[in-house]
Amino acid sequence: DVQMTQSPSSLSASIGDRVTITCRASPGINTFLAWYQQKPGQVPKLLIYGASTLQSGVPSRFSASGSGTEFTLTIGSLQPEDVATYYCQKYDSVPWAFGRGTTVEI
Amino acid sequence: EVQLLESGGGLVQPWGSLRLSCAASGFTFNNYAINWVRQAPGKGLEWVSVISGGYVKTYYADSVKGRFIISRDTSKNTVYLQMDSLRDEDTAVYYCTRGGSGTYYNWPISDHWGQGTLVTVSS
Repeated sequence: DVQMTQSPSSLSASIGDRVTITCRASPGINTFLAWYQQKPGQVPKLLIYGASTLQSGVPSRFSASGSGTEFTLTIGSLQPEDVATYYCQKYDSVPWAFGRGTTVEI
Repeated sequence: EVQLLESGGGLVQPWGSLRLSCAASGFTFNNYAINWVRQAPGKGLEWVSVISGGYVKTYYADSVKGRFIISRDTSKNTVYLQMDSLRDEDTAVYYCTRGGSGTYYNWPISDHWGQGTLVTVSS
């Protein structure tokens, strides 16, 4: 099975900072990767699919890129409402595994 | 408005059984895949199973294969997860999610999530 390695496991940044989260897949998964945001006490929310396509309604400060084995999710200017845990999910083939998550704090 | 409402969670003893339901509304049910994703207390997300729309294909995570069965009743717009031989490690909040329609590569893209139902396996 494909292994998904997400890093860092947590980070602390200031309002307005640029934040980057990385997800690595081994072996490669083309662009079959999604990103989800889960705020404390809430249900996960789809942010990105197809490695770089922003889901409708997601703020434009979120962006993502990558293909094959390395992917990044970037928050262009961190806002207080972005405090959450972020998960990548690969979906090239079953099982559709999630990364372990990255917790973003202010 | 798309809505997914899970039910059926509760406390069950190891080796017991439970059936979860996911009632869907606000979209053409037959066109979309439905996933189950679980989250153990304080832990990350784990994909469990999917049932496609249309011609109905199912897939399972290795951790539940042979113990869980996913099915759908199109007359009730409901997806079920029959869970047998439950283990302590199956304790989690179980979310049903709406996946995509059409091609297999759309099925895991969960654009709507229910609020979840808690399953606790304990003696």
